[in-house]
Amino acid sequence: AQKVTQAQTEISVVEKEDVTLDCVYETRDTTYYLFWYKQPPSGELVFLIRRNSFDEQNEISGRYSWNFQKSTSSFNFTITASQVVDSAVYFCALSERILTGGGNKLTFGTGTQLKVEL
Amino acid sequence: NAGVTQTPKFRVLKTGQSMTLLCAQDMNHEYMYWYRQDPGMGLRLIHYSVGEGTTAKGEVPDGYNVSRLKKQNFLLGLESAAPSQTSVYFCASSHPPGRTQETQYFGPGTRLLVL
Repeated sequence: AQKVTQAQTEISVVEKEDVTLDCVYETRDTTYYLFWYKQPPSGELVFLIRRNSFDEQNEISGRYSWNFQKSTSSFNFTITASQVVDSAVYFCALSERILTGGGNKLTFGTGTQLKVEL
Repeated sequence: NAGVTQTPKFRVLKTGQSMTLLCAQDMNHEYMYWYRQDPGMGLRLIHYSVGEGTTAKGEVPDGYNVSRLKKQNFLLGLESAAPSQTSVYFCASSHPPGRTQETQYFGPGTRLLVL
C-alpha cells in the first residue's frame, strides 16, 4: 500500500525565516504524481503544486520551492522569507490508481502545522 | 467559475438521523470524490465516481451511500448517522487520470457533528 509520511507535526518560525516541510512517500508504481495542498485556518484545501514522477526538476513559484528527489522518495517544500499568512496546515499527497472503475485517489500525509509568528 | 461547492457548511445531527451532503462542480470534471478528514489522520477516501451514473467504494465506505445522477453533482448520504461519523467532509473533482490536468480540486468542506 502507498504511504505518505510527514514527520513534522508542527513547526513554529519567526516571520522572514525560511522553513522546509518534509514529505517522504512509498509507492510501487513507476508512474505517480505528488501534490502539496495548503489548509489555512478557514479550512479549505488549496492546491499548491503537482509533480510527475518522471520530472525531477525542482520548481520555484515566488517564495515557494519544491525539491523532488526520487532516489530518497522525498518531495520537500520550502517557504522562503515566511509570512504570517503562510500559517496553515500543509499536506503532501500521492496519487494512486484505483483498479475498480479506473479512478485514482490521493493518499495524504497527516499534515504539518506551520505557525509563523511576528 | 465557483469551482467546487458544498452544501451545507455545517450540520448537527442526532444519532440515527439521516442527511445528504451535496457537492457541485462547474469545471466539467468527469471524476468526483468524497473524503473525510479526522484529526491526525489526513484525508481518507469514502466513495468516488468516474462518471455520471457510476460510483465506487473508497477506503472507508461503510455507513455512507452516494449517487451521481448528473455530471456536475455528487451526493453523499448518511442513512443512520453515528458519532463515529463526526468529521469534516470534503468533495473533490478532477479530470480522468492520464490527462495533464488530473489534479483534484476541493470544495470548502462540510463540518458534521453527530451527537
